[in-house]
Amino acid sequence: DAGVTQSPTHLIKTRGQHVTLRCSPISGHKSVSWYQQVLGQGPQFIFQYYEKEERGRGNFPDRFSARQFPNYSSELNVNALLLGDSALYLCASRRQRQGAFYNEQFFGPGTRLTVL
Amino acid sequence: AQSVAQPEDQVNVAEGNPLTVKCTYSVSGNPYLFWYVQYPNRGLQFLLKYITGDNLVKGSYGFEAEFNKSQTSFHLKKPSALVSDSALYFCAVRVGSGNNRLAFGKGNQVVVIP
Repeated sequence: DAGVTQSPTHLIKTRGQHVTLRCSPISGHKSVSWYQQVLGQGPQFIFQYYEKEERGRGNFPDRFSARQFPNYSSELNVNALLLGDSALYLCASRRQRQGAFYNEQFFGPGTRLTVL
Repeated sequence: AQSVAQPEDQVNVAEGNPLTVKCTYSVSGNPYLFWYVQYPNRGLQFLLKYITGDNLVKGSYGFEAEFNKSQTSFHLKKPSALVSDSALYFCAVRVGSGNNRLAFGKGNQVVVIP
C-alpha cells in the first residue's frame, strides 16, 4: 500500500501570500493530522480531522485553517504568510479503531515551505 | 500539561556498541508513548509504542524501549548500533483523549561512528 503522500514537496512564497498544502492518507485511514516542524525542533500539532470534522486544534493563529474531503484527503491553508511560517509541514494519518487498542500515526514526507 | 523531554542534544556511539536515547515524560494518567525516527529531508518513521502491558516494547529495525513508571522514563535502546542508525530520534506522548494530538520532544541527533 502507498504511504501518506503530500504535495508539493517544496514551496517558496513571499510574506503576505497564501499557501495550500495537500495530503492524501493511507487507504482506509479516516483521520488526518497536521504538524509544523521548524528547523531544529520537534513537530508541533496544528490540526486533526476525522470524518471531515475538526477534532483538535493546536496553539496556532487563525491564519491557519484546514479541511478534510469526503475521500479523507486534507488541505492545510495558511494566509498572510510570515517569515516564521517557514518550516516542514507534516501530515499524518491514522486508522481510528474502537476499544482499548490505540494504533499509531503514519507520517508523510512533508512539504518544505520557505517564506521570503 | 502532557509533555516529554529529551535531555541530550546529540548521542555519539561507535558502531557495534549499545545505543540508548533518553526520554522522560510528564503526564496525568496513563501515558501513550511513541518513538519516531527522521532521516534527512524525510518525514517521521514509526519505531514503537507503549500503550499498556509489558514494560519492554520491541519495535522496528531492532529497536526496543523500556517503560519505567517510577522514573517516568521511556528510553530507546538498540543492542548493537549500525552506521545506518544515524538519524534524528523523537519521543512523543499522546495529549488528552478523543484526538490524535502528539507532543514531541526536541529530538536527539544520533551519530554512529564507523
